[in-house]
Amino acid sequence: DVKVTQSSRYLVKRTGEKVFLECVQDMDHENMFWYRQDPGLGLRLIYFSYDVKMKEKGDIPEGYSVSREKKERFSLILESASTNQTSMYLCATEGGGSSYEQYFGPGTRLTVT
Amino acid sequence: RKEVEQDPGPFNVPEGATVAFNCTYSNSASQSFFWYRQDCRKEPKLLMSVYSSGNEDGRFTAQLNRASQYISLLIRDSKLSDSATYLCVSAGGAGSYQLTFGKGTKLSVIP
Repeated sequence: DVKVTQSSRYLVKRTGEKVFLECVQDMDHENMFWYRQDPGLGLRLIYFSYDVKMKEKGDIPEGYSVSREKKERFSLILESASTNQTSMYLCATEGGGSSYEQYFGPGTRLTVT
Repeated sequence: RKEVEQDPGPFNVPEGATVAFNCTYSNSASQSFFWYRQDCRKEPKLLMSVYSSGNEDGRFTAQLNRASQYISLLIRDSKLSDSATYLCVSAGGAGSYQLTFGKGTKLSVIP
């Protein structure tokens, strides 16, 4: 079974703080993704990475950055958290090739006050 | 813009009923299709892939119509435990790892 873990289930931060969300997978998957999910808007892709040190912008990268220094670890960084970044953040992995099947971590519910 | 459209529901059905969800996708280059299930406040989990020939997994049947760009999911003999939101997903065209998610259809199975 694919195992994807995220550093926190719940997180409360203040406006302006730097926030790190970490995702770790144990399946040697090539591709990793960060999404946010908001009511009525569904899942939206923030960034993804298809290799170590490689990253690509998704649909809503503004206000976020990412880091992938090791294959199993993909971090999402909010440089200066804002209240409109209050959301559920979901990490996913995908093994490459032609499967396209993504496996999600349990999510981090971030509240910015 | 690549989109996947679903009826948001909610679908409220009695136990034992058969329920069908439909969705349409706009990107004709999409290569793969999936149904994910998401329980309240949990992560999406892959339910099944969808093939042109149709595929069945127990009480669940998925169908793909490429000509109409239409995907369906049929659940027979609904159980209380089927209550969840079902997400229709398409995978992008050649060279793209990205998935496009529908906003989900909420199902409540009632005793």
